Amino acid sequence: DAGITQSPRHKVTETGTPVTLRCHQTENHRYMYWYRQDPGHGLRLIHYSYGVKDTDKGEVSDGYSVSRSKTEDFLLTLESATSSQTSVYFCAISERGQGGAKLFFGSGTQLSVL
Amino acid sequence: DQQVKQNSPSLSVQEGRISILNCDYTNSMFDYFLWYKKYPAEGPTFLISISSIKDKNEDGRFTVFLNKSAKHLSLHIVPSQPGDSAVYFCAARLNSGGSNYKLTFGKGTLLTVNP
Repeated sequence: DAGITQSPRHKVTETGTPVTLRCHQTENHRYMYWYRQDPGHGLRLIHYSYGVKDTDKGEVSDGYSVSRSKTEDFLLTLESATSSQTSVYFCAISERGQGGAKLFFGSGTQLSVL
Repeated sequence: DQQVKQNSPSLSVQEGRISILNCDYTNSMFDYFLWYKKYPAEGPTFLISISSIKDKNEDGRFTVFLNKSAKHLSLHIVPSQPGDSAVYFCAARLNSGGSNYKLTFGKGTLLTVNP
């Protein structure tokens, strides 16, 4: 199994509060991604990183920010959580850009915004 | 605009029979296709892929077929086993230029293999 750890695994929070999800990898892969999975939508890319301090937006980036200060860590922040951000969040890594090589996913974070 | 479509939300088959999961796409510029499998409470895992220059790729019990003219791919699982019960995501790659790739996922199909 690829060494990807997501924390926390579960979180319940209130609308308007900030939330940070963490993804930690031990594979030294250059590329890291944050996806969300929702019923009826499949997997949608939020943000991705192609190196330390190098990030870019995905298709559903509104309301989210990311940071990558070290190769092994990729943080996803919801500055002010909303109920529409209730979802399962997956971190993924790859050696090359997505599609250039297969993605390895973490086990996910179930986030509930009440 | 859903560029990758998995029109069957669920599929149920008997153990030992063939499972066929379908995926349609609209963008003719997709050049690589992947299937991922997801068990409950786990992240998706890569299953099999196919380049757009091929029409078939086989790996053990899993075979992916690509029909470019129809913009259609399918995943065949033969014989199906109860452990294959999972959600299957189809994904398609678009090369946006240089090494900038983008993956688009379908909504997934829940496969249930009954003993």
